[in-house]
Amino acid sequence: EPEVTQTPSHQVTQMGQEVILRCVPISNHLYFYWYRQILGQKVEFLVSFYNNEISEKSEIFDDQFSVERPDGSNFTLKIRSTKLEDSAMYFCASSGAQNSPLHFGNGTRLTVT
Amino acid sequence: QKEVEQDPGPLSVPEGAIVSLNCTYSNSAFQYFMWYRQYSRKGPELLMYTYSSGNKEDGRFTAQVDKSSKYISLFIRDSQPSDSATYLCAIIASGGSYIPTFGRGTSLIVHP
Repeated sequence: EPEVTQTPSHQVTQMGQEVILRCVPISNHLYFYWYRQILGQKVEFLVSFYNNEISEKSEIFDDQFSVERPDGSNFTLKIRSTKLEDSAMYFCASSGAQNSPLHFGNGTRLTVT
Repeated sequence: QKEVEQDPGPLSVPEGAIVSLNCTYSNSAFQYFMWYRQYSRKGPELLMYTYSSGNKEDGRFTAQVDKSSKYISLFIRDSQPSDSATYLCAIIASGGSYIPTFGRGTSLIVHP
């Protein structure tokens, strides 16, 4: 069964450093998402992406964040200058249509020290 | 007022029990309903997807939607220790934003 894959599974970085989280969505999906989950808290929406542009973003997704689909398969989330409070699990998801259920990857655990 | 409410638990049941997990929501525009299972340090895994009131069954799982009461449930029959996980409801509104709104999840423990 096709799945969403994310790399790396765990990333440790120092405060102020840039990180890039990578995702390969399901190949025939058109809608892509990033979510965040701080330990013990709920899954929070960051950004959605469709037709090579951001379609919606939350208040969390400020100027420190950016997304890109550099080729036909990868979808990346960049955090320019990480803060301690960026430590969380970051999940990529994709769906085939707007009201279709999202399929999630297993996440990247980001630890900012 | 939170849009999707879900009791965080933990809910502890013996193996073989019938489990009932619930979410309530406030936005009447919510029209598409999903249940996800999340194991520790893993991504949410889709279990059920429905968009109509009533019941939908898949193996040991039954999703129930009552749009008039703004209430959704997930029932697990013959629960197994491997069902121990956090269960998340997620709801999508029709029209406007199609971004799913998640509940905070209910932690389920099935003990042998």
